[in-house]
Amino acid sequence: AQSVTQPDIHITVSEGASLELRCNYSYGATPYLFWYVQSPGQGLQLLLKYFSGDTLVQGIKGFEAEFKRSQSSFNLRKPSVHWSDAAEYFCAVDTSGTYKYIFGTGTRLKVLA
Amino acid sequence: EAEVAQSPRYKITEKSQAVAFWCDPISGHATLYWYRQILGQGPELLVQFQDESVVDDSQLPKDRFSAERLKGVDSTLKIQPAELGDSAMYLCASSTDGLESGNTIYFGEGSWLTVV
Repeated sequence: AQSVTQPDIHITVSEGASLELRCNYSYGATPYLFWYVQSPGQGLQLLLKYFSGDTLVQGIKGFEAEFKRSQSSFNLRKPSVHWSDAAEYFCAVDTSGTYKYIFGTGTRLKVLA
Repeated sequence: EAEVAQSPRYKITEKSQAVAFWCDPISGHATLYWYRQILGQGPELLVQFQDESVVDDSQLPKDRFSAERLKGVDSTLKIQPAELGDSAMYLCASSTDGLESGNTIYFGEGSWLTVV
């Protein structure tokens, strides 16, 4: 069965430091890939998505993600974290192109002042 | 920017009572979803509508949960009777099949349910 793994449940970084959140999926072909952010008590906001083409995609709020087919990964990065980035981040895949999203369990980001 | 509207944002109900959530998707979005997100987990799909028809309700606990989208626009998710394990955030989302959509699902702010 298809699955999405976010190996880091919690990550703490200092403000201004770089960030990388990991996401791995199990699926034979290249799925549609997404990163969402969820602030406490709020819904999910789309940060970026990948379908095909350039494997480095840019998103909102200064985030980017790189698709690596050989590693079945779609890691999210930001060069300099701001305190307002503290939130929970979810990776999701759509393996069939039918909007059947499979979500990872999320990574909670804490930012130290 | 158009948003998915949900209400109520927060609901506390007693065990065995009925509770309902309402959702208004982004205008023009034919597909509507209800997800359940238990604290500390990712969202899981409960039901998916295409216009007024259910296309996937395989994960909906049909003995107590029901969902409808009578006119193919807004939708209601009902739980009766509520159980303690139903405490979660209920997220509504919508999508369109247009080429520009890129298989993207847009989520509402969610409705927090606490069953006591």
